[in-house]
Amino acid sequence: DGGITQSPKYLFRKEGQNVTLSCEQNLNHDAMYWYRQDPGQGLRLIYYSQIVNDFQKGDIAEGYSVSREKKESFPLTVTSAQKNPTAFYLCASSPRDRQETQYFGPGTRLLVL
Amino acid sequence: AQSVTQLDSQVPVFEEAPVELRCNYSSSVSVYLFWYVQYPNQGLQLLLKYLSGSTLVESINGFEAEFNKSQTSFHLRKPSVHISDTAEYFCAVSEVITPLVFGKGTRLSVIA
Repeated sequence: DGGITQSPKYLFRKEGQNVTLSCEQNLNHDAMYWYRQDPGQGLRLIYYSQIVNDFQKGDIAEGYSVSREKKESFPLTVTSAQKNPTAFYLCASSPRDRQETQYFGPGTRLLVL
Repeated sequence: AQSVTQLDSQVPVFEEAPVELRCNYSSSVSVYLFWYVQYPNQGLQLLLKYLSGSTLVESINGFEAEFNKSQTSFHLRKPSVHISDTAEYFCAVSEVITPLVFGKGTRLSVIA
């Protein structure tokens, strides 16, 4: 089945630690996205990538980093510089010229201990 | 830059009653409009979208939305809701080549 997988479903982080959230898609989509969801805030764009080896900052990129070495993978690292990392993180993908048609993964909930 | 306002953060409604979830957007150019649904602890699923053509769009589970350019609105409606419709609903807008911009969401609670 084609789709987007995110792992793990729940992730715990100690203060000061970097953690990496995984996102993999087998839809052959060029574009991939990371969003952060907080209660009452909707979804806010962290980073997006329209093609391998290229990515752009979204609205709230500070404290996060990404890489796009492979078409099917777009990992997100939450660094220690992110002061309030507890949130639900959603990954999405779309065809490069159809950014309006995004498919979402099931999400990863990050909790800081 | 485009923006989306969902006018109600929570909407409680009795089962089999009609519901309307309101969405207004702002943009200086042509837009695409979307409604997504999110069930607890899950990702988002596309419910329906307006890209062009008929201003009334429908989903397979009885929801519909109407694009109103003069009022810059894209309200979501259903004539009779079910318990299973309880979820959070997000309106989103795209200016064709830009990433989606989401509203803050409306939590629909259907009461038996």
